[in-house]
Amino acid sequence: SYELTQPASVSVSPGQTARITCSGNELPKQYSYWYQQKPGQAPLLVIFKDTERPSGIPERFSGSSSGTTVTLTISGVQAEDEADYYCQSADNSFPYPLYVFGAGTKVTVL
Amino acid sequence: EVQLVQSGAEVKKPGESLKISCQGSGYSFSDYWVGWVRQMPGKGLEWMGVIHPGNSETRYSPSFQGQVTISVDKSINTAYLQWSGLKASDTAVYYCARRPSNWGYGFDSWGQGSLVTVSS
Repeated sequence: SYELTQPASVSVSPGQTARITCSGNELPKQYSYWYQQKPGQAPLLVIFKDTERPSGIPERFSGSSSGTTVTLTISGVQAEDEADYYCQSADNSFPYPLYVFGAGTKVTVL
Repeated sequence: EVQLVQSGAEVKKPGESLKISCQGSGYSFSDYWVGWVRQMPGKGLEWMGVIHPGNSETRYSPSFQGQVTISVDKSINTAYLQWSGLKASDTAVYYCARRPSNWGYGFDSWGQGSLVTVSS
């Protein structure tokens, strides 16, 4: 079955840049999405369709795509950005695509 | 304001049945897919399936096909997730989420989650 691969953890100092990668063979053909989840809360969409940012999401969150890897970048990390981050996409199964989540990356702000 | 409001926490015994709900408001419910996502304690997100309220078309993850049933009542803007025989391993938080039809396969708005505890 299709998998998305993320690092388990990323540590970053306040004000620095955090980059979280997500790799998957179908990413050149399917959009990616990124969700932030804080303890006890529901996931929150922070990036959609690889690079777009929903209204209300700070500009320090950005997404990029290159081949089979997509990247969530948090520029100028703040303490409030400490959370789990999940990438999500879909495969190209027939008769319909199957949705898939990465295992999640825990971002720690030092 | 788009909202997905889920039913409350449930405590059940193994073998019991359960149906949890997700009511949408603030948008045209019939025009957006509704998905269900499981999160087991301390674990990541798992996609279970989606349903289109407009025509009740339903798609399941192979991991959950035959284990749960997803349904919808568009007259009351509500999607459902149900089990006919719960197991302890069904203990988890279950989220519903909205997927725009012209958006690819991501979810733009999420419910608050429903905690299901299965224990004898």
